[in-house]
Amino acid sequence: LAKTTQPISMDSYEGQEVNITCSHNNIATNDYITWYQQFPSQGPRFIIQGYKTKVTNEVASLFIPADRKSSTLSLPRVSLSDTAVYYCLVAGSARQLTFGSGTQLTVLP
Amino acid sequence: SQTIHQWPATLVQPVGSPLSLECTVEGTSNPNLYWYRQAAGRGLQLLFYSVGIGQISSEVPQNLSASRPQDRQFILSSKKLLLSDSGFYLCAWSRGQRGPNEKLFFGSGTQLSVL
Repeated sequence: LAKTTQPISMDSYEGQEVNITCSHNNIATNDYITWYQQFPSQGPRFIIQGYKTKVTNEVASLFIPADRKSSTLSLPRVSLSDTAVYYCLVAGSARQLTFGSGTQLTVLP
Repeated sequence: SQTIHQWPATLVQPVGSPLSLECTVEGTSNPNLYWYRQAAGRGLQLLFYSVGIGQISSEVPQNLSASRPQDRQFILSSKKLLLSDSGFYLCAWSRGQRGPNEKLFFGSGTQLSVL
């Protein structure tokens, strides 16, 4: 069962690029890496998912090195509305879809 | 498009009372369904998941139970609530591919306070 480690909190300023790294040293061959965003009193929202190398969509990029023991979520030019908790989830089956404590990102004006 | 409905949004219950939280999904068939609980300031704890009608897997032993009477309906229950059952309960679904790249879609949650 892959376990993830993320920083508890990060601060950034509007317009900056933010990189949040997740460590998952015990990742298994069939595990995918998925990132979610959660605002207070709401359910998490899917951001991006990848298996290896780089994945990019309209809101973020995900960088995964060759050994897959870590991953980095990159948010370009953050705004105040990006203040939220970000979760890294590493799973290979339904029973492994358990979230860690996440990273509280605070975007400052 | 697919939607997930979860109710009620907030609930205040006395210790020892029963609980029933309901979740329904529209616009898809044979989804995987999940119940999570989130304590204040903490991550999400997977409580139950279901890959089909009547098929329930429990991840954490406790006084809660789950049932799936219909394909797109998932119910979380308790016969007697404890103070420690307080928290934010979230229902989620995924497309039921039963593969490693499941993407979860969450409901709006129920804030349960047991007093």
